[in-house]
Amino acid sequence: NAGVTQTPKFQVLKTGQSMTLQCAQDMNHNSMYWYRQDPGMGLRLIYYSASEGTTDKGEVPNGYNVSRLNKREFSLRLESAAPSQTSVYFCASSQRTEAFFGQGTRLTVV
Amino acid sequence: GQQLNQSPQSMFIQEGEDVSMNCTSSSIFNTWLWYKQEPGEGPVLLIALYKAGELTSNGRLTAQFGITRKDSFLNISASIPSDVGIYFCAGHNQGGSEKLVFGKGTKLTVNP
Repeated sequence: NAGVTQTPKFQVLKTGQSMTLQCAQDMNHNSMYWYRQDPGMGLRLIYYSASEGTTDKGEVPNGYNVSRLNKREFSLRLESAAPSQTSVYFCASSQRTEAFFGQGTRLTVV
Repeated sequence: GQQLNQSPQSMFIQEGEDVSMNCTSSSIFNTWLWYKQEPGEGPVLLIALYKAGELTSNGRLTAQFGITRKDSFLNISASIPSDVGIYFCAGHNQGGSEKLVFGKGTKLTVNP
């Protein structure tokens, strides 16, 4: 039982490049989330999806897009990466209130 | 948006000491969660609280859901070096969305 799986674990991008962070969960959860974690800022919600086919903006959505491909998968896309998007990105899923996290993707934009 | 104030921001303690941290909010929450994050890992759920006044333990950890529903507390008794990490509180308010709101974390350092 893998839980929440994120790929890749590490990524370095040049400013202006695009990339997609992948997330998949095998717990049959309805809700999925993308957070970013920066030093001293805690976990900030980028986007979330309460169910397959729906997505909503969180606290810091600018510069990101998401796709809830199916119940298992929720991807995060950076269309034109900026140095301010250097961060650790976490995907999470939940059925009601208890969220379970992946191991994170450490992204550096140079 | 909703915000959680978590304190203290960091703690440096000696092995064997007890630890207390708390989270407060201006909003009422229906659920309080406490997570621990170790370096290079994602947050891991420690304790979930669902009812005002609830007191729940998980080994040496005890958490309480405040009776006003606007705060929660986490205590760690007899700390050990492996307690090192960042502890996050999170609140869930079923006001039509499924969002979890996180505090900024308490970084715990335990000196052997």
